[in-house]
Amino acid sequence: KAGVTQTPRYLIKTRGQQVTLSCSPISGHRSVSWYQQTPGQGLQFLFEYFSETQRNKGNFPGRFSGRQFSNSRSEMNVSTLELGDSALYLCASTKGGTGELFFGEGSRLTVL
Amino acid sequence: AQSVTQPDIHITVSEGASLELRCNYSYGATPYLFWYVQSPGQGLQLLLKYFSGDTLVQGIKGFEAEFKRSQSSFNLRKPSVHWSDAAEYFCAVETKSSGDKLTFGTGTRLAVRP
Repeated sequence: KAGVTQTPRYLIKTRGQQVTLSCSPISGHRSVSWYQQTPGQGLQFLFEYFSETQRNKGNFPGRFSGRQFSNSRSEMNVSTLELGDSALYLCASTKGGTGELFFGEGSRLTVL
Repeated sequence: AQSVTQPDIHITVSEGASLELRCNYSYGATPYLFWYVQSPGQGLQLLLKYFSGDTLVQGIKGFEAEFKRSQSSFNLRKPSVHWSDAAEYFCAVETKSSGDKLTFGTGTRLAVRP
């Protein structure tokens, strides 16, 4: 079966712009999580959605937001981009409650 | 809050040699424990997981890990490393009350000498 699909894979933005990243989970998976990966901070949890509800939120500013649709697809949005937002953004899905996350290949954001 | 420590940032081993990557966690109870691997430019792939029961767990690609409650450790091992094992390895924990949120260690980058 198809894995977790993230789009776009690469993008370049300038400071002050906003960006929307998309994640399509594995069919049947209802939980979608987002992580930010940077060389300095490593892998940090952004938020998790389950059945269209945000169930967990990490310690990120309000510029970072997300949502989940009825088909379990998820988007995350970053507004007023800063240089420090340059990172690999990883999406993961799971059936929920199993602890076994399946990751996409990520969206690499570069902010100039 | 839970935390995960991977004390080795970089490790280099020769092909065919054995490997052990260390992981220690800090949490009041026994969390769910995971090892993930990330190849360059890729997402993370689950190698193995521990929920309960037998403390020695087998994973994919010939990896195994042993949970030691007394040491709060979950070290990853492989008896004979292949060149294709060169990647970054992450230990992660999930607590029973955190939903599906993972806390990751900082990772160990493995290089394999021919």
